[in-house]
Amino acid sequence: GAVVSQHPSWVICKSGTSVKIECRSLDFQATTMFWYRQFPKQSLMLMATSNEGSKATYEQGVEKDKFLINHASLTLSTLTVTSAHPEDSSFYICSAKRRGGWSTDTQYFGPGTRLTVL
Amino acid sequence: AQSVTQLGSHVSVSEGALVLLRCNYSSSVPPYLFWYVQYPNQGLQLLLKYTSAATLVKGINGFEAEFKKSETSFHLTKPSAHMSDAAEYFCAVNTDKLIFGTGTRLQVFP
Repeated sequence: GAVVSQHPSWVICKSGTSVKIECRSLDFQATTMFWYRQFPKQSLMLMATSNEGSKATYEQGVEKDKFLINHASLTLSTLTVTSAHPEDSSFYICSAKRRGGWSTDTQYFGPGTRLTVL
Repeated sequence: AQSVTQLGSHVSVSEGALVLLRCNYSSSVPPYLFWYVQYPNQGLQLLLKYTSAATLVKGINGFEAEFKKSETSFHLTKPSAHMSDAAEYFCAVNTDKLIFGTGTRLQVFP
């Protein structure tokens, strides 16, 4: 149990376009979902925390107008990178916490999305 | 503020040898501690977690970690390394969000 999926697994886009990444909890309801960014050979950097039905909380230094997060249901959160530029190229990983039941303290991670902006 | 420090960005062992990945934490309250593994171009997989029950925690793939309050440590061990263990390992402490260490890359040589 506790499977999280991401779609797409990789995407290549032109500079100036917008890209949407989906994060789904497949077999549980998630109270909270998190979005991370990971640069090559580095650790994960938390970008934002999203709770279903409310606005996302962004970490310091993350542009909320550039990285739009929507958490429309208890199983789906989306990250939209607007007007993408080459410096936005990165590995984006989402995670989710269970709603109720066991292991509500644990984050379950998706497989990640590799974004390349040309 | 809570934090974790992983000593050694790279660890190399021979297949069959003991694996020891070090993690020290800083926390003003009893922490929840986690070890995650990341294979190339993949997300993170939970290996094990400590949540103030038993101090010796057993995880998947033969890994275990021992919580030592006196040493503020939560080192990850495996008695016998396998080639498939080669990956990046992250220690993390949980507050209202996960705080990750910088990661340790484990290489396993035949």
